[in-house]
Amino acid sequence: DAGVIQSPRHEVTEMGQEVTLRCKPISGHDYLFWYRQTMMRGLELLIYFNNNVPIDDSGMPEDRFSAKMPNASFSTLKIQPSEPRDSAVYFCASSLTDRVAKNIQYFGAGTRLSVL
Amino acid sequence: GQNIDQPTEMTATEGAIVQINCTYQTSGFNGLFWYQQHAGEAPTFLSYNVLDGLEEKGRFSSFLSRSKGYSYLLLKELQMKDSASYLCAVRDLGSGGSYIPTFGRGTSLIVHP
Repeated sequence: DAGVIQSPRHEVTEMGQEVTLRCKPISGHDYLFWYRQTMMRGLELLIYFNNNVPIDDSGMPEDRFSAKMPNASFSTLKIQPSEPRDSAVYFCASSLTDRVAKNIQYFGAGTRLSVL
Repeated sequence: GQNIDQPTEMTATEGAIVQINCTYQTSGFNGLFWYQQHAGEAPTFLSYNVLDGLEEKGRFSSFLSRSKGYSYLLLKELQMKDSASYLCAVRDLGSGGSYIPTFGRGTSLIVHP
């Protein structure tokens, strides 16, 4: 498997624009997580899905953020409108519920977002 | 909720041994992970502890004491490539009803010659 695939790797946009981040989890994994990482706050969980269903979105900063998982192989995180304080690295991770797999999370390479 | 504490930064010499500590306070504990993250890269899995004791994997070992809410990651025979951030993550019952990990802020390890 190619691992968790995120796109784009880098995104530079202007304040007020819509940003869409994409993630393809590892095939067969049943959990998908979206994280945001900054120097100030570390790695923060935004939302996670189980079998394509959003389970907990309490980490989503505000209504400008939304996430979807229309099928088992694709998820998006959308920010509309974007603001400079949204600048961060956004990671997607997936895991498998299994005693052997231990729910280890596998992370994508991340999307580095800069909002000017 | 959780409270996970690890040192912000540590330095060590190539070839030496370093121990990175992690303390946590949580209810419904269901495992502790250590991840390594090189600058500009994604976190990668290092170790997992769910029972008390030491898990050894090559140069890296991880220890857990559930009663003390304490874990450490031990790195032996340090190499320059071990310079990275080390993240402690504790899994417990989240508000969504699933066991999910929460990450500490990470410990930045600098290995010098």
